[in-house]
Amino acid sequence: GQSLEQPSEVTAVEGAIVQINCTYQTSGFYGLSWYQQHDGGAPTFLSYNALDGLEETGRFSSFLSRSDSYGYLLLQELQMKDSASYFCAAPGGYQKVTFGIGTKLQVIP
Amino acid sequence: DTEVTQTPKHLVMGMTNKKSLKCEQHMGHRAMYWYKQKAKKPPELMFVYSYEKLSINESVPSRFSPECPNSSLLNLHLHALQPEDSALYLCASSQGGTDTQYFGPGTRLTVL
Repeated sequence: GQSLEQPSEVTAVEGAIVQINCTYQTSGFYGLSWYQQHDGGAPTFLSYNALDGLEETGRFSSFLSRSDSYGYLLLQELQMKDSASYFCAAPGGYQKVTFGIGTKLQVIP
Repeated sequence: DTEVTQTPKHLVMGMTNKKSLKCEQHMGHRAMYWYKQKAKKPPELMFVYSYEKLSINESVPSRFSPECPNSSLLNLHLHALQPEDSALYLCASSQGGTDTQYFGPGTRLTVL
């Protein structure tokens, strides 16, 4: 099986940088995904790391270290619209995906 | 195009009603999924269809009945639901295997 741990809440200031961590325990690991979900909305895919290292997409970056069973999502130049829940997720066998509990990010002025 | 569409956006139904949720994707994906999401919780997998065949049923009660008429469409038939079934129902699709899943906007279901 798989389990992913991430903080339940994070607060950061507009314009700042925030890092959301995700640690995982799994019997089989293929990679780590990140999804953003605004209140009342659906999860939106942000990034996927299959290999170790940093993936950058605009203001968002995602990092994976397989040796440490750890990844993170980095959000730069925070904007108020970045207030949302962020889920790390790991695809497993048989087309299943395990989600973390989600980190609720609040961006304050 | 990474769009998955779902209808209706909102649905209110009584415990004796029969209704259906619909999902459509035109990305050529071969796997389609139904998830249930309660407030402040991650999505919870219900069903997986692979190449139009049901491959995973996560012990979902029979009052939920999935159907995959073709490779682009996925339905979820609802009958005799309970108030605790009120949730956001999400459809997703992917190329299958460990490939990224793309979610539709969801149907907000309220059972009275």
